Amino acid sequence: EVQLVESGGGLIQPGGSLRLSCAASGFTVSTNYMSWVRQAPGKGLEWVSVIYSGGSTYYAESVKGRFTISRDNSKNTLYLQMNSLRVEDTAVYYCARESAFDIWGQGTMVTVSS
Amino acid sequence: QLVLTQSPSASASLGASVKLTCTLSSGHSSYAIAWHQQQPEKGPRYLMKLNSDGSHTKGDGIPDRFSGSSSGAERYLTISSLQSEDEADYYCQTWGSNWVFGGGTKLTVL
Repeated sequence: EVQLVESGGGLIQPGGSLRLSCAASGFTVSTNYMSWVRQAPGKGLEWVSVIYSGGSTYYAESVKGRFTISRDNSKNTLYLQMNSLRVEDTAVYYCARESAFDIWGQGTMVTVSS
Repeated sequence: QLVLTQSPSASASLGASVKLTCTLSSGHSSYAIAWHQQQPEKGPRYLMKLNSDGSHTKGDGIPDRFSGSSSGAERYLTISSLQSEDEADYYCQTWGSNWVFGGGTKLTVL
């Protein structure tokens, strides 16, 4: 079965760091574009970052310089390292496959609060 | 700048049909988009990829009641024989130099 499972969310203080994971099954992460998308409480969807199959990475302006997307091909897993977290980063974070986001994970909640 | 515009809300009666619209910004009328459904308290679900010529590729298990079409810069999602479980937020999404979502349309089934 093709699926994505996120983990790593939680409650973190402003300025802290957190690493999210997205484990894939049924397909190979390294041969696909893989993205992170987030949704703040009561808000719409916001693209955060993408890693291309060739390894190039791109970020939304709101997270550039603070977040880093990466993957571990041996574990078939996508990551999002989030540093210098802000209250406005509070959201459910989803991973998704390919340009059209044809596969979504179930999401992991990140709450940034003191 | 690549922007997608959606109406914030729509409504239709149980068993009826509804057509949701997503409009691409000027200069981007050739772009493909994707439609996603988000039911209350759930994550998004991919419905289809929709090309500028109206051809579309639906996700696994998406009922035939869901179809897509295109005209110029407009991309449409039509849902026929509306059911209660179709009440959800519907997002269009596209990609170019970055990835962009529309603001979403909240569909109410009366």
